[in-house]
Amino acid sequence: RKEVEQDPGPFNVPEGATVAFNCTYSNSASQSFFWYRQDCRKEPKLLMSVYSSGNEDGRFTAQLNRASQYISLLIRDSKLSDSATYLCVVKFNTGNQFYFGTGTSLTVIP
Amino acid sequence: DGGITQSPKYLFRKEGQNVTLSCEQNLNHDAMYWYRQDPGQGLRLIYYSQIVNDFQKGDIAEGYSVSREKKESFPLTVTSAQKNPTAFYLCASSMWGRASGANVLTFGAGSRLTVL
Repeated sequence: RKEVEQDPGPFNVPEGATVAFNCTYSNSASQSFFWYRQDCRKEPKLLMSVYSSGNEDGRFTAQLNRASQYISLLIRDSKLSDSATYLCVVKFNTGNQFYFGTGTSLTVIP
Repeated sequence: DGGITQSPKYLFRKEGQNVTLSCEQNLNHDAMYWYRQDPGQGLRLIYYSQIVNDFQKGDIAEGYSVSREKKESFPLTVTSAQKNPTAFYLCASSMWGRASGANVLTFGAGSRLTVL
């Protein structure tokens, strides 16, 4: 079983729609959780960290459910510029390694 | 501005040749990482280093080698022993331990290697 699993999509949504991505992780000792955004042929960039109480940054909301071992990302009022691949990243308590999901592809359609 | 510089951005190599990818950071980060990304796949860890003169194998270290002689630099050599080296290579860094920001990875722009 992979350490981090995501639905690869693709998700094709109209502008203004709300879209949600989920990600599951296998190690209950996981310490830190993140969502990264990766544009085509570019490097991943941090979108937001995910905190235990959930957190919001503008149109983006991240949630963590430790009991069920999943994290989610909600994007409200989708913009064309949100089109990208969203990577779920988990860091375990042991060592200093980060584990990546395969990414979920989002295309926002005019 | 602080950041991570990778070079070259694009590289073509003939089969049987070794090639070295450069990664330099001026973020004063302790930990550095090399990942490989193939189309439709997630990032896979090749090697990582927590301190100077020390590094550990990741999940796919075979056919690769690294060195960490300076805190700022973590070059990756793709050797002829790597069976399928064509990929997008990403270098990243983070602070180490429990310091604020230790959990955030910062990436370079990547190096795209094609074996002809």
